[in-house]
Amino acid sequence: GESVGLHLPTLSVQEGDNSIINCAYSNSASDYFIWYKQESGKGPQFIIDIRSNMDKRQGQRVTVLLNKTVKHLSLQIAATQPGDSAVYFCAEKTSNQFYFGTGTSLTVIP
Amino acid sequence: DTEVTQTPKHLVMGMTNKKSLKCEQHMGHRAMYWYKQKAKKPPELMFVYSYEKLSINESVPSRFSPECPNSSLLNLHLHALQPEDSALYLCASSLSTGDNYGYTFGSGTRLTVV
Repeated sequence: GESVGLHLPTLSVQEGDNSIINCAYSNSASDYFIWYKQESGKGPQFIIDIRSNMDKRQGQRVTVLLNKTVKHLSLQIAATQPGDSAVYFCAEKTSNQFYFGTGTSLTVIP
Repeated sequence: DTEVTQTPKHLVMGMTNKKSLKCEQHMGHRAMYWYKQKAKKPPELMFVYSYEKLSINESVPSRFSPECPNSSLLNLHLHALQPEDSALYLCASSLSTGDNYGYTFGSGTRLTVV
């Protein structure tokens, strides 16, 4: 399943499928980006980061892609599990501070 | 210790009350932050402290008053709040404001103003 980020803040996927969450960031001068996961009742939790001199970074079951030309980030989650259900935020670093995008709510259907 | 601890977890206060939110970290981080998060919205930056000095105030109303007594503690003093101030208040910390590493967030204080 795939979200359009700002225009489609809710994404539902079947357990075991891959998920793609998209984010459009605002400042072309931003040099560092993070994806956070926020579960209900908790603070945001770091998932993966990427610096502006890279276009792809992989972690365990997650991959972040950065397209600076169109100011777009995506988070790919492989083999999505019920524990992945949460709200996912991208954050861009501008002037030494992080600013968060709108967020996408991911629901994994068992 | 790799956590940011926030207390209380829940707070209900009247519009004439004075209360304080507390945040503590023992990771040696020298930058600490307050964010406000409304339901189904992203966290919004309120204040940044760098080496115990207030470095950023994102035009926050004066009824919110931050304080950083030492490098491990961050408080947010609340006075004469409005119902629209009800939100999740998140504290975060990082090594410094200049490093390219993520923030460590606490679990937040759920504030309800009645």
